[in-house]
Amino acid sequence: SAVISQKPSRDICQRGTSLTIQCQVDSQVTMMFWYRQQPGQSLTLIATANQGSEATYESGFVIDKFPISRPNLTFSTLTVSNMSPEDSSIYLCSVGGGPLGNTIYFGEGSWLTVV
Amino acid sequence: KQEVTQIPAALSVPEGENLVLNCSFTDSAIYNLQWFRQDPGKGLTSLLLIQSSQREQTSGRLNASLDKSSGRSTLYIAASQPGDSATYLCAVSGIQGAQKLVFGQGTRLTINP
Repeated sequence: SAVISQKPSRDICQRGTSLTIQCQVDSQVTMMFWYRQQPGQSLTLIATANQGSEATYESGFVIDKFPISRPNLTFSTLTVSNMSPEDSSIYLCSVGGGPLGNTIYFGEGSWLTVV
Repeated sequence: KQEVTQIPAALSVPEGENLVLNCSFTDSAIYNLQWFRQDPGKGLTSLLLIQSSQREQTSGRLNASLDKSSGRSTLYIAASQPGDSATYLCAVSGIQGAQKLVFGQGTRLTINP
């Protein structure tokens, strides 16, 4: 299994501001992903974080709104830019590959409320 | 586009019962299927992973089956306990882009003492 640390765990943000979420994993994984879970909804993939290159975004998500970095195999950040109340969600980091094989593991999530 | 459906959306049973949660997916060309558990205010805990070539996986009181041709999976929970109360999520990954997951809406399970 994997130990995944996400920071912050919770935050209340002002409309129009940006917040960066960090994800740290305890092993050198091949894959890192960012998901969003809106209130009462299931999870939707935002993007795949690629080490040393630009992230790969899913339909409906763009780099200007959700810039992602992945400087090495154990760390990634997701920024939620110019936030609006519609961005109030849980943002989850997930990892897989490498020593973890095909199983995907998730962090505890970052609960953002935009006011 | 892959779509995943979980039935029922919510389930409440007395402690000790055996129960089955259902998951269906529209595109049978999957790489694997994973069942997760999500407790309120928490992230996801991986329960079972079934590769596309497998029919079932077991872990303790949990057994997950996969019928890829019909696009169905079931999660069987034996001798349910109040601690099993949580939302159970089914997710599939496609052959292209393996490990990118498409999730169902989940089944909210309540086990009554």
